[in-house]
Amino acid sequence: DTGVSQNPRHKITKRGQNVTFRCDPISEHNRLYWYRQTLGQGPEFLTYFQNEAQLEKSRLLSDRFSAERPKGSFSTLEIQRTEQGDSAMYLCASSHMDRGTGSPLHFGNGTRLTVT
Amino acid sequence: AQKITQTQPGMFVQEKEAVTLDCTYDTSDQSYGLFWYKQPSSGEMIFLIYQGSYDEQNATEGRYSLNFQKARKSANLVISASQLGDSAMYFCAMREVVHTGGFKTIFGAGTRLFVKA
Repeated sequence: DTGVSQNPRHKITKRGQNVTFRCDPISEHNRLYWYRQTLGQGPEFLTYFQNEAQLEKSRLLSDRFSAERPKGSFSTLEIQRTEQGDSAMYLCASSHMDRGTGSPLHFGNGTRLTVT
Repeated sequence: AQKITQTQPGMFVQEKEAVTLDCTYDTSDQSYGLFWYKQPSSGEMIFLIYQGSYDEQNATEGRYSLNFQKARKSANLVISASQLGDSAMYFCAMREVVHTGGFKTIFGAGTRLFVKA
C-alpha cells in the first residue's frame, strides 16, 4: 500500500489556460473520486469512477471540467479555460469494497491550484 | 439542501479531557454510511471511524467513538483523553448510493478542534 499519489503538488497558472492533474490510486482500489477543497471548507464532491466508468458527476461541475480514468488505473482531471474561482486544493481519493470498515476513502495529498 | 451539518466551527478542549463534535445528516435512504475524517494542518485527510446505518452498536476505534442516534439523524464524534496532536479539522461525512449504482461521499463544513495544554 503505497498510498494515493497526486501530481503535481502545486500548479500556478494564468487565467484562461488549461491544466491537467494526475492521480494514481492505491493499486487494488477500483473506486476513484475527485474532490475540490477551498480554505476552511469541507471537500466538495466532483466526480466518481468505478473502474474506468464515470458513474457520478457533480452538477456543480461545469463543462470546463473533465475527468478520465483509462483502463481503470490512474485518473486525470482537466480544467479548461481556468478562472480565478477555480483556485483550490484538488483532492483525489480511492477506495475498495470492505464491508467491515465501510470502504473509507484514502486521500492523496492533493494538488493546489492557483489561478492568477 | 445541506445534507451534513456541523454546527461548531471551532471547539476548545483541555488536554486529557473528552470532547464531542456534533454532526447531523439528512437522507431518505435506508442504507448509508457515516464517517469521520481528521485533517491536520499538514493537509492530509485521515479516516478515523465508520458507522453503518444498520449497525446497532456505536462504533469505537481507540480513543474515538461515534454516538449514533439514527432517529435524530445524528452521528457525533467523541474523542476521549484529548491529546495535543488531536488539534485539527474534523469532518463528518456520509456515503450514499447514487442512481447509477455507485457511491458518493459528501462532507460537512468541518469543526476545528483546539486542544489546550
